[in-house]
Amino acid sequence: DAKTTQPTSMDCAEGRAANLPCNHSTISGNEYVYWYRQIHSQGPQYIIHGLKNNETNEMASLIITEDRKSSTLILPHATLRDTAVYYCIVTKETSGSRLTFGEGTQLTVNP
Amino acid sequence: SAVISQKPSRDICQRGTSLTIQCQVDSQVTMMFWYRQQPGQSLTLIATANQGSEATYESGFVIDKFPISRPNLTFSTLTVSNMSPEDSSIYLCSVDAGTGRRGYTFGSGTRLTVV
Repeated sequence: DAKTTQPTSMDCAEGRAANLPCNHSTISGNEYVYWYRQIHSQGPQYIIHGLKNNETNEMASLIITEDRKSSTLILPHATLRDTAVYYCIVTKETSGSRLTFGEGTQLTVNP
Repeated sequence: SAVISQKPSRDICQRGTSLTIQCQVDSQVTMMFWYRQQPGQSLTLIATANQGSEATYESGFVIDKFPISRPNLTFSTLTVSNMSPEDSSIYLCSVDAGTGRRGYTFGSGTRLTVV
């Protein structure tokens, strides 16, 4: 699986958009970009994933560059409960594909 | 998506003893995954467990230390054997959410402290 690079930490004001970047320059054509988050003392939670088109769901939006070498997770209106470690993972979308977690980005939403 | 019940949620154990962690899923799943999260660190995959076959272990993890059972399609156990303080971690199980398009579901984890 392709390796990802994320900033170690980010801060965001409550109510503002949080934009979390991820670099995955070695991504293969059949690999998807997945985002998970881990709130303190909980298991990771799936947020969103995409292949090459931008995606949006009830939690977030995912913007993938045209060359697919980087992506941005957008939380449109961050709340204090969005404070968590966010993981960007690149993996093949087949049943049983292994997830390789990097260090992730610690997002802190401030009041 | 699948719902996972993981037990115990936490435990404090003496060194040299073993602890078995249970992972129960509310639906049948082919593959179950066991992760370790050491203090302040990210998740590391220990092994993948398929029903009816031996688990596949990642580099650095061995069956004698982390034996896994997978007796049916909804249940698995991970045993941490002959524990030392270095085994103090959070252990999590995970399964495919079921559709292949909603990622993986994780249990809430077992926080293990070895004293």
